[in-house]
Amino acid sequence: GQQLNQSPQSMFIQEGEDVSMNCTSSSIFNTWLWYKQDPGEGPVLLIALYKAGELTSNGRLTAQFGITRKDSFLNISASIPSDVGIYFCAGQGQGSQGNLIFGKGTKLSVKP
Amino acid sequence: NAGVMQNPRHLVRRRGQEARLRCSPMKGHSHVYWYRQLPEEGLKFMVYLQKENIIDESGMPKERFSAEFPKEGPSILRIQQVVRGDSAAYFCASSPWGQRNQPQHFGDGTRLSIL
Repeated sequence: GQQLNQSPQSMFIQEGEDVSMNCTSSSIFNTWLWYKQDPGEGPVLLIALYKAGELTSNGRLTAQFGITRKDSFLNISASIPSDVGIYFCAGQGQGSQGNLIFGKGTKLSVKP
Repeated sequence: NAGVMQNPRHLVRRRGQEARLRCSPMKGHSHVYWYRQLPEEGLKFMVYLQKENIIDESGMPKERFSAEFPKEGPSILRIQQVVRGDSAAYFCASSPWGQRNQPQHFGDGTRLSIL
């Protein structure tokens, strides 16, 4: 079945640094979504991407839908302590009736 | 301005009992999705329902699991004769309709523990 490979698995960064994470797939996706999950809570939608090449920002977050439709990246600029959490990419593949396929997540820890 | 509401937040069952998980979608949303999350893992799709219809149940185990979304009331994920391997967080998401360009919004999940 379709899978998403998300990297890095975890990262420690200094407050104020920029962060970058990405997801890749061997098959084409029609939609890419980025979510953040805090402990004990559900995923919260950060950015949704619907067209190949699309670049979208949400405050300090920027995400892009790769031209090949097989990858996406998320950048966080000037990280702050509340950015700590697990970031998931998710996509809707071709033939999907609506269900999302999730990556395994990138755990972000920020040193104050 | 309620989001997706799930209850209970935590559920403890003994092996062999039944677990019922409830999900009320966001106001105006008629499509519901159930996902399961194991520790240190991403979410895995289980089932997609529209009011009174199952659209896609390709992620549901063949036995003991069922889901419904009646005309009135919340969506229910039902697990019969639970086993230890059913311990997980179960998340529900909803969208206004099921086509593209309608992002799914998630509830805070039900943490199911099997003793």
